[in-house]
Amino acid sequence: QSVLTQPPSVSAAPGQTVTISCSGSSSNIANNYVSWYQQLPGTAPKLIIYDNKKRPSGIPDRFSGSKSGTSATLSITGLQTGDEADYYCGTWERSLNFGGVFGTGTRVTVL
Amino acid sequence: EVQLVESGGGLVKPGGSLRLSCTASGVTFSNAWMSWVRQAPGEGLEWVGRIRSKSDGGTTDYAAPVKDRFTISRDDSEDTLYLQMTSLKTEDTAVYYCTTEGTAFDSWGQGTLVTVSS
Repeated sequence: QSVLTQPPSVSAAPGQTVTISCSGSSSNIANNYVSWYQQLPGTAPKLIIYDNKKRPSGIPDRFSGSKSGTSATLSITGLQTGDEADYYCGTWERSLNFGGVFGTGTRVTVL
Repeated sequence: EVQLVESGGGLVKPGGSLRLSCTASGVTFSNAWMSWVRQAPGEGLEWVGRIRSKSDGGTTDYAAPVKDRFTISRDDSEDTLYLQMTSLKTEDTAVYYCTTEGTAFDSWGQGTLVTVSS
């Protein structure tokens, strides 16, 4: 049962921008780093944002992250067909001895 | 480049046991905190548990649904992580991924499927 809430789906045309929200609480997002994961169909998740807004090597700057209070946001600009995937936010939960928690997941569709 | 390769998945009856392995390369495994994350068919990601590096105590933490049934261990001489699963339930059916853990789940294996069914 996810403790972080995301919209089930978002969609936009190629070249447009989508934003995905991730809502948590004071025991998780508010006091911990947030990360984001991209899961292309049939593959393992891949880290695309860590420490709220940093990108691992090789991740294009079309992907950006931010955090404010108990919520975080992933933005994808210049949307491409290859961006069609499920996206999950993640952080740590104090009540679980800082165990990992993930969002409910958002399906991005390129129209 | 970090590579993680899981193995050991398969079909097991409810109440049965199974041990998963994850072999790492491209990382100083003995220094790494490692986690298991699972994904039930058609569902989202669920953290299963972690093991800290021995230099950080080598201790473990588990998610509530698996606590007292699953055990995570490591063999630093073999760069291998383990997940011993006992008293398996149908709801444990999932793809199980091993990951390195820093301030995020940095690198992921390809996953191994565990199916619990009679």
